[in-house]
Amino acid sequence: DAKTTQPPSMDCAEGRAANLPCNHSTISGNEYVYWYRQIHSQGPQYIIHGLKNNETNEMASLIITEDRKSSTLILPHATLRDTAVYYCIVRVVSNSGYALNFGKGTSLLVTP
Amino acid sequence: GAVVSQHPSRVICKSGTSVKIECRSLDFQATTMFWYRQFPKQSLMLMATSNEGSKATYEQGVEKDKFLINHASLTLSTLTVTSAHPEDSSFYICSADPPNGYTFGSGTRLTVV
Repeated sequence: DAKTTQPPSMDCAEGRAANLPCNHSTISGNEYVYWYRQIHSQGPQYIIHGLKNNETNEMASLIITEDRKSSTLILPHATLRDTAVYYCIVRVVSNSGYALNFGKGTSLLVTP
Repeated sequence: GAVVSQHPSRVICKSGTSVKIECRSLDFQATTMFWYRQFPKQSLMLMATSNEGSKATYEQGVEKDKFLINHASLTLSTLTVTSAHPEDSSFYICSADPPNGYTFGSGTRLTVV
């Protein structure tokens, strides 16, 4: 799986959009970008994933650059409950039977 | 969506005793489950891959005789920390890979005193 790089921490004001970047410059054509988050003392929670098109669900939007070397997770209206560590993971979706490899992630602090 | 149930959520045990952590897939069959360990302010580290009906595969540096994994059915994997010591105190998380994507248990906070 390709390696990802994320800023260690970010702050965001409540109600504003939180934009979390991820660099994955060595991503290959069959690798997807996944985002998970981990709220303190809980298991990771799936947020969204995509291959090359932008994706949106009820939690967030995922913007992937045209060259696929980077992506941005957008939480459109951050709340205090969005304070968590966010992990960007790149992997081949057909690699079932193989665990997800977690990097250090970005610690997002949403402030009142 | 697929749900993985992990128990207990929190356990305190005396040094030298053993602790069992259960991970159940509630609405799907999990041929493979994964066990992670997370120390404070660190990321999740994969400990082992649990395969139903066969021996688990352990990551380098993880003692297989200390961390016993049993995956006897398609819905249950257990992790037993044997002869626990204070340095085993950590947050243990299981996960599975159902068809619609990875799902994680809520984690077990183990404190060895």
